[in-house]
Amino acid sequence: GQSLEQPSEVTAVEGAIVQINCTYQTSGFYGLSWYQQHDGGAPTFLSYNALDGLEETGRFSSFLSRSDSYGYLLLQELQMKDSASYFCAYNTNAGKSTFGDGTTLTVKP
Amino acid sequence: GAGVSQTPSNKVTEKGKYVELRCDPISGHTALYWYRQSLGQGPEFLIYFQGTGAADDSGLPNDRFFAVRPEGSVSTLKIQRTERGDSAVYLCASSFGQNNSPLHFGNGTRLTVT
Repeated sequence: GQSLEQPSEVTAVEGAIVQINCTYQTSGFYGLSWYQQHDGGAPTFLSYNALDGLEETGRFSSFLSRSDSYGYLLLQELQMKDSASYFCAYNTNAGKSTFGDGTTLTVKP
Repeated sequence: GAGVSQTPSNKVTEKGKYVELRCDPISGHTALYWYRQSLGQGPEFLIYFQGTGAADDSGLPNDRFFAVRPEGSVSTLKIQRTERGDSAVYLCASSFGQNNSPLHFGNGTRLTVT
């Protein structure tokens, strides 16, 4: 995960909004993905941005700026079940993804 | 439908032994990926297959690691002369192999080398 930087931990309260930032450095960039992983579970896909701008999927949105090599995941109306690790990953070819070290989100009541 | 299946879910082996980890991808997915994940870190890429061939094996740490996918479906990751540093969760994922195809991960095999 040395080619991606994201905060190691974020804490927020139920109902709040939280933004998890990700910066990356790579050549051959196709897009930025986000995955969620609960303790002991498998990473699950959340969103993908190939072009600049915001993609919205329910309570989750993801943003990409290719010129800034930067993206973020925005989680709204936080719920306790959102407590998990969140990984950004850049895609090179054929869907091969390189992952960051993840951000542990803790949602408090 | 069925997701990615990995067996065994846990494997404990002694240093120096040989292990095989199996992955059964989602039917119809042409691409298959192996990652490993250590505690507190993100998945680390090992190898990926398009069909039967290894399209990119640049993440395999050394020649003790080898993977095959002989019929373009099930894959086996093989580790020879295991070392304690090989202890990790080995994750398999599959996808349709396009640039925007999401990876579908299995629950992983937790390998412990004693």
